[in-house]
Amino acid sequence: EAGVAQSPRYKIIEKRQSVAFWCNPISGHATLYWYQQILGQGPKLLIQFQNNGVVDDSQLPKDRFSAERLKGVDSTLKIQPAKLEDSAVYLCASSPLEGAQETQYFGPGTRLLVL
Amino acid sequence: LAKTTQPISMDSYEGQEVNITCSHNNIATNDYITWYQQFPSQGPRFIIQGYKTKVTNEVASLFIPADRKSSTLSLPRVSLSDTAVYYCLVGDMFSGGYNKLIFGAGTRLAVHP
Repeated sequence: EAGVAQSPRYKIIEKRQSVAFWCNPISGHATLYWYQQILGQGPKLLIQFQNNGVVDDSQLPKDRFSAERLKGVDSTLKIQPAKLEDSAVYLCASSPLEGAQETQYFGPGTRLLVL
Repeated sequence: LAKTTQPISMDSYEGQEVNITCSHNNIATNDYITWYQQFPSQGPRFIIQGYKTKVTNEVASLFIPADRKSSTLSLPRVSLSDTAVYYCLVGDMFSGGYNKLIFGAGTRLAVHP
């Protein structure tokens, strides 16, 4: 079974530029998550989709971050404009269904450096 | 959502058993306890999950006392490849179908030769 795919793996941009990350979840997984992981910290949930609807985006900085899930499958996360503090690893995860007992499967992440 | 507390770091040697204890004093009746493992440059990976008593799989064991205010992840006979960050999380299984995981800083386990 193929895992969660993310691209690009690395990205370096200057502040005030825009950047987009792509995620392809495991086939058939209804729920998709985007996390931000700052160096030395645990992942922080930014947004959760159930199919193509948003379940939780309470920690998404909506003035600069946006996300969409196309046709309930792939998803993109965009930052515009980027700030220095956005330097982090952006992780995508998926799970078959909702429910705290459902295992989340994480992708390798996209490492973003904002200069 | 229940908050978890776990040691920042631990050291061990190859072949030893490692026990990482997590405190979750405010755990709710509907909460499951889940542990994830994260290697450098990778996303977290599910290790084990339990609700009460003891759960064992091919990778680890999870011990949960009757009051469920803490849990212990046990890794038998660790090897160098077990060096990673281990996260303890609690989540509500009946939150209207909403699976929200809150990660703390985790426990950095270093296994030495």
